[in-house]
Amino acid sequence: NAGVTQTPKFQVLKTGQSMTLQCAQDMNHEYMSWYRQDPGMGLRLIHYSVGAGITDQGEVPNGYNVSRSTTEDFPLRLLSAAPSQTSVYFCASSLSSTGAHTGELFFGEGSRLTVL
Amino acid sequence: AQSVSQHNHHVILSEAASLELGCNYSYGGTVNLFWYVQYPGQHLQLLLKYFSGDPLVKGIKGFEAEFIKSKFSFNLRKPSVQWSDTAEYFCAVTLTGGFKTIFGAGTRLFVKA
Repeated sequence: NAGVTQTPKFQVLKTGQSMTLQCAQDMNHEYMSWYRQDPGMGLRLIHYSVGAGITDQGEVPNGYNVSRSTTEDFPLRLLSAAPSQTSVYFCASSLSSTGAHTGELFFGEGSRLTVL
Repeated sequence: AQSVSQHNHHVILSEAASLELGCNYSYGGTVNLFWYVQYPGQHLQLLLKYFSGDPLVKGIKGFEAEFIKSKFSFNLRKPSVQWSDTAEYFCAVTLTGGFKTIFGAGTRLFVKA
């Protein structure tokens, strides 16, 4: 089982460049989310989605866009990268029931992004 | 604002020592509680979870956690740590029926062989 797959694993950008971090899951999970991990700050929720066509903001959404056209995919877009977005990004999915998710998350292996 | 606090950012123990990592949250409603572990260079994995019922829950690798509702706490324990427990540990909380899982800042545990 592949689980949650993220690409790329490493990326270096220049300030102002744009890019998309890809995330795909094969567990038929309705819920998907993006976190960023920074030293001493734990994981902070960027955006989440409770199903195809439905997305919402998390704790730190500024500078990031998401869309959910299929159940399997949840890409994260940086439209104009800034050094403050240097971080490790994790995609996670969860099984939902009755419109809410249990909170038990399955994580991808992470994408390390450096913005110069 | 809703938050999750982990009391210790860094813990150093010798093998066979006992471990307790503190976690407190500030949600007012019913919550689901989790501890995740991140071994060096790896992604987060679920260690244990609490949804309801017995407030003492057991997870993988000999870890357990106790939910104390009156203290808004969910502390992680292990009677005897091993070198292989060296990792970063994250407490996480989801409001029951909600969509956001909020993480604490993490505790880095180093176990000396």
